[in-house]
Amino acid sequence: AQSVSQHNHHVILSEAASLELGCNYSYGGTVNLFWYVQYPGQHLQLLLKYFSGDPLVKGIKGFEAEFIKSKFSFNLRKPSVQWSDTAEYFCAVISGGYQKVTFGTGTKLQVIP
Amino acid sequence: NAGVMQNPRHLVRRRGQEARLRCSPMKGHSHVYWYRQLPEEGLKFMVYLQKENIIDESGMPKERFSAEFPKEGPSILRIQQVVRGDSAAYFCASSPPSGEQYFGPGTRLTVT
Repeated sequence: AQSVSQHNHHVILSEAASLELGCNYSYGGTVNLFWYVQYPGQHLQLLLKYFSGDPLVKGIKGFEAEFIKSKFSFNLRKPSVQWSDTAEYFCAVISGGYQKVTFGTGTKLQVIP
Repeated sequence: NAGVMQNPRHLVRRRGQEARLRCSPMKGHSHVYWYRQLPEEGLKFMVYLQKENIIDESGMPKERFSAEFPKEGPSILRIQQVVRGDSAAYFCASSPPSGEQYFGPGTRLTVT
């Protein structure tokens, strides 16, 4: 069965610092990859997605993620975080042509002004 | 295009009562998913439905919980004889055939 690992459970950064959140998945076949963000008290919103093509994907709010097939990774990055980026971030994977999405356990990001 | 709609947003039930949570997918989406989120925990998959079919219910508790997505109308998550441990946020998501999921605002269930 597919599994998704987010090794950083809680990250604290100062404003303007660079961000990289790790995401690794287990299934070695064709995958569709996603990052979602959940702001405090709100629902999950799609940040970016990868289906095929350019492995460097750009999403909303200055976020990007890079798919590295050989490392089974899809890390999320942002060059300069803002206080408003404080939220929980979830990596998610669809694999094997089956639409069930497997979510990681989430990374809570706290940005200090 | 309206997003995924869920109602009610907040639901309070006494132990032993039934809770019915509704989800209307985005227009054109025929896949619906239900998740439960407990405080300080991640998102737990419960069930995946298409119109009139349950595709995967591997995350549903074996008793008291059921879900449906009829040909007409919203998807319903039904919890019978609620207990305090059922208190959580229940999120619905819908997707087009390509698979990316769009989430509703959730229903926060409180069992007293």
